[in-house]
Amino acid sequence: DGGITQSPKYLFRKEGQNVTLSCEQNLNHDAMYWYRQDPGQGLRLIYYSQIVNDFQKGDIAEGYSVSREKKESFPLTVTSAQKNPTAFYLCATSILFRGGGYTFGSGTRLTVV
Amino acid sequence: EDKVVQSPLSLVVHEGDTVTLNCSYEVTNFRSLLWYKQEKKAPTFLFMLTSSGIEKKSGRLSSILDKKELFSILNITATQTGDSAIYLCAVESNEYSGNTPLVFGKGTRLSVIA
Repeated sequence: DGGITQSPKYLFRKEGQNVTLSCEQNLNHDAMYWYRQDPGQGLRLIYYSQIVNDFQKGDIAEGYSVSREKKESFPLTVTSAQKNPTAFYLCATSILFRGGGYTFGSGTRLTVV
Repeated sequence: EDKVVQSPLSLVVHEGDTVTLNCSYEVTNFRSLLWYKQEKKAPTFLFMLTSSGIEKKSGRLSSILDKKELFSILNITATQTGDSAIYLCAVESNEYSGNTPLVFGKGTRLSVIA
């Protein structure tokens, strides 16, 4: 089945630790995105990538980093510089040059204690 | 800066009621407006609207876009408890070749009680 796999579903980390969230897709979509969701805040864009080895910052990129070494994979690292990392993180994909919205992964809920 | 504003932010109704969710937007080079339903985790696609005045319909849900007034509404008739969810509105623009990331509103949290 084609789709997006985000792992893990739940993640607990101590404050000050870096953590990496995985996003893998087998849809052959070109573009991949990371959004953060907080209660009452909708989805806010962290980073996105349209092609391998290239990515752009979104509205709230500070304290996060990404890489796009393969078309299928777009991992997100939440660094210790992110002041309030506890949130729900969603990965999404889309076909380049064609509109119509995204396919979403099931998300990772990160809790920093 | 592109912006999407949804209202109300939360809504509680009884089963059988009809609800209207609102979405207004400001975007450069509008391409489309999308509605998603989010129950627990991944948002699921409901509608994509590109043309003004044309209603999209799926069962008890319908949506329409007004490009002159820059807003869209999502109607749900005869609500059921299974309609309880966050409804997200997003806009897509054509700022340059490629895919401009969707800009989302804060969502409307709908609770349908029996």
